[in-house]
Amino acid sequence: DAGITQSPRHKVTETGTPVTLRCHQTENHRYMYWYRQDPGHGLRLIHYSYGVKDTDKGEVSDGYSVSRSKTEDFLLTLESATSSQTSVYFCAISDIQDGYTFGSGTRLTVV
Amino acid sequence: AQSVTQLGSHVSVSEGALVLLRCNYSSSVPPYLFWYVQYPNQGLQLLLKYTSAATLVKGINGFEAEFKKSETSFHLTKPSAHMSDAAEYFCAVSQNTGGFKTIFGAGTRLFVKA
Repeated sequence: DAGITQSPRHKVTETGTPVTLRCHQTENHRYMYWYRQDPGHGLRLIHYSYGVKDTDKGEVSDGYSVSRSKTEDFLLTLESATSSQTSVYFCAISDIQDGYTFGSGTRLTVV
Repeated sequence: AQSVTQLGSHVSVSEGALVLLRCNYSSSVPPYLFWYVQYPNQGLQLLLKYTSAATLVKGINGFEAEFKKSETSFHLTKPSAHMSDAAEYFCAVSQNTGGFKTIFGAGTRLFVKA
């Protein structure tokens, strides 16, 4: 998607290992978000950021941490990956009421 | 607290038929409302949005939605379905209350039969 990229696109990791997903934007938007998507649950907010070093928890934040040291980058870290964190992770950016622009997603499998 | 309910996890229509995807919301303040579409192995793409202007909102690909405050609904319609409309559709509600967060519905998968 134009203006927002996620890396990696796919990752397989072992239970108990830390994992970091990266979201990079070129739109200079203030708000950035991490969601996970699971069948039957839609998208659930993990963490979001409203500025450099300003972050807050979403509804499913346990086991996840985030960091935003620059406007353009928002990192999501799974501190010790578990099988329940197998999911598709989406980053999004927003200019308030204009809606979200989503990245292409990261498919994470924890074995 | 805000919430979104999409009625029907799967909807099947014939090509050329009316598409109607239902969404009801709850919000303690005037909401922003959105519909997104997701094609396989892709991120979500904004279809249309309601942000307190006209209650009938037109979006991309011939879709439109009507905001009905009395019914707390924001149903998505398209007069004539195309095969290319087959995808998953998500309704979402946002509030700007000291932190702009969006809640998504569980999604409705649209199947289009030839």
